[in-house]
Amino acid sequence: ELKVEQNPLFLSMQEGKNYTIYCNYSTTSDRLYWYRQDPGKSLESLFVLLSNGAVKQEGRLMASLDTKARLSTLHITAAVHDLSATYFCAVEGLDSNYQLIWGAGTKLIIKP
Amino acid sequence: GAGVSQSPSNKVTEKGKDVELRCDPISGHTALYWYRQRLGQGLEFLIYFQGNSAPDKSGLPSDRFSAERTGESVSTLTIQRTQQEDSAVYLCAVMSRGFWDGYTFGSGTRLTVV
Repeated sequence: ELKVEQNPLFLSMQEGKNYTIYCNYSTTSDRLYWYRQDPGKSLESLFVLLSNGAVKQEGRLMASLDTKARLSTLHITAAVHDLSATYFCAVEGLDSNYQLIWGAGTKLIIKP
Repeated sequence: GAGVSQSPSNKVTEKGKDVELRCDPISGHTALYWYRQRLGQGLEFLIYFQGNSAPDKSGLPSDRFSAERTGESVSTLTIQRTQQEDSAVYLCAVMSRGFWDGYTFGSGTRLTVV
């Protein structure tokens, strides 16, 4: 059974700091996704990571994937208040109908 | 999200009543998913539709839950005899047009069972 674990589940940090969110998954997968969710809103796709060693960057966010370690990271550089949200990773199971298995989410609060 | 409309956005219902949630994607999305998100948690898969194939219902938590979809159009999720533990946000998602772009989610229906 594919399981996805994120840590930390809660993170409070100051603007300007760097931090990393970790996403571990238990079995082989083809694709890993990062999503952002603002309170009361739906999910916004951030990154789709398709292969080992994949690295994608958008603004102050950078995501990477190590399929051998079954680990993805979401790195935040010089955080700003607007990045406050809950971040989810989700993994596509190999034997599924492309359904996503989700981590519990990391609630990120960035203080001005 | 753009491309997927869900209604109602909020629904408060009494325990024991039936509810119907609607998902209306822009045409051309063959793959459609329903997920449930309980407060403060990640998403749980409920059901998957792919074109005219038999749906994957493996995530439905009980026989009180059912869903329908005709072709590539509207899908409805029905919960019969609602219970308080059914309270959650129900999200509909389609695979984005660019296959490598992931999924597009609707804004969800927040269901509260009182």
